[in-house]
Amino acid sequence: EDKVVQSPLSLVVHEGDTVTLNCSYEVTNFRSLLWYKQEKKAPTFLFMLTSSGIEKKSGRLSSILDKKELFSILNITATQTGDSAVYLCAVGVPRGAGKSTFGDGTTLTVKP
Amino acid sequence: ETGVTQTPRHLVMGMTNKKSLKCEQHLGHNAMYWYKQSAKKPLELMFVYSLEERVENNSVPSRFSPECPNSSHLFLHLHTLQPEDSALYLCASSQEWVTNSPLHFGNGTRLTVT
Repeated sequence: EDKVVQSPLSLVVHEGDTVTLNCSYEVTNFRSLLWYKQEKKAPTFLFMLTSSGIEKKSGRLSSILDKKELFSILNITATQTGDSAVYLCAVGVPRGAGKSTFGDGTTLTVKP
Repeated sequence: ETGVTQTPRHLVMGMTNKKSLKCEQHLGHNAMYWYKQSAKKPLELMFVYSLEERVENNSVPSRFSPECPNSSHLFLHLHTLQPEDSALYLCASSQEWVTNSPLHFGNGTRLTVT
């Protein structure tokens, strides 16, 4: 059975801190790894990673994939209170985006 | 309107009621999905429609019945639900089903079954 494990499950930091969120996976046919941010209701897409070692970056957020060790990290630098959210990791397999297996999520709280 | 819109935002229903959740996407996507999000559990895929044809049914009880009349609209018909069905029901869409394109989610319907 495909498995996606995120750590830590929750994290509390102060504004300005840098955080690293982890996602490890065990899937039969890996296709891609996706990160989403869920603030209140709708998860919103952050990154899709398909190749090892290539960093994706968007502002203060960045992510990288290691297909050999089967994990990905999501880094957030200079955190702001608006970064408080649940960060979801999902692994896609060849049958389609809807077959993504989601992790439990990491709840990040950024205090002023 | 843009994105994926779900109605209602909140729904409280008794176990003998029949209700429907509605989802509409304005992104021109070909695939639509229903997910269930329960407290302290990962997102669970329920149904996938690609070009109005159901392509995945993830062992969902028959008290949940999806309908996709066209590529922009998706419904989830509910009847004789159980209290454990209380959850956030999220609709999503993507460009295609087979290419692992990112999912675009609606804000969800918070369902409470009493």
